[in-house]
Amino acid sequence: KQEVTQIPAALSVPEGENLVLNCSFTDSAIYNLQWFRQDPGKGLTSLLLIQSSQREQTSGRLNASLDKSSGRSTLYIAASQPGDSATYLCAVRKGGTDSWGKLQFGSGTQVVVTP
Amino acid sequence: NAGVTQTPKFRVLKTGQSMTLLCAQDMNHEYMYWYRQDPGMGLRLIHYSVGEGTTAKGEVPDGYNVSRLKKQNFLLGLESAAPSQTSVYFCASSYLAGGRGTGELFFGEGSRLTVL
Repeated sequence: KQEVTQIPAALSVPEGENLVLNCSFTDSAIYNLQWFRQDPGKGLTSLLLIQSSQREQTSGRLNASLDKSSGRSTLYIAASQPGDSATYLCAVRKGGTDSWGKLQFGSGTQVVVTP
Repeated sequence: NAGVTQTPKFRVLKTGQSMTLLCAQDMNHEYMYWYRQDPGMGLRLIHYSVGEGTTAKGEVPDGYNVSRLKKQNFLLGLESAAPSQTSVYFCASSYLAGGRGTGELFFGEGSRLTVL
């Protein structure tokens, strides 16, 4: 069974510092990996999706990398702002048509950016 | 652009009562999902659907039933609510991965259910 781990569980940084969030998975046979943001009491918002054939994906201040062989993805947020405070989750979709309904989620990293 | 809409957003039930959560999406997605989110347990898949008229069990299906009579709607039912079903429920949808889309998931805002 795919295990997805996010360490640390919580992170606090001063405004302006770059954020580095980690996601590890045990089975490298993935279809894609998706990063989400969740604000308190809200749903999940998709940030970036990386296909298994890609090494990285970028959107504005966000950059996500993928290393399938080592079972790792990293989300970088440049020049953090207080508005970046949220919980960040990664989710892995296994390859194969019978698994497309089943994303495996990490437990998330709670980020606080202090002014 | 509504995306994924869940109703109701909050509900309090007594043990043994029944209820239905409604999820509607306007993106013409084939796939729809129901998740529950609990502290320390993360997001767990309850049931999902790969198209109109089809449903499948996820990781924690016991105590829930679902129906997908129309492509845009996915209903989650609790026939006899139990305190263990107190949770936040999220609906999500996606295009069929590998076909027209990447399988990227879009979530609703959640439905907070308390069973007393």
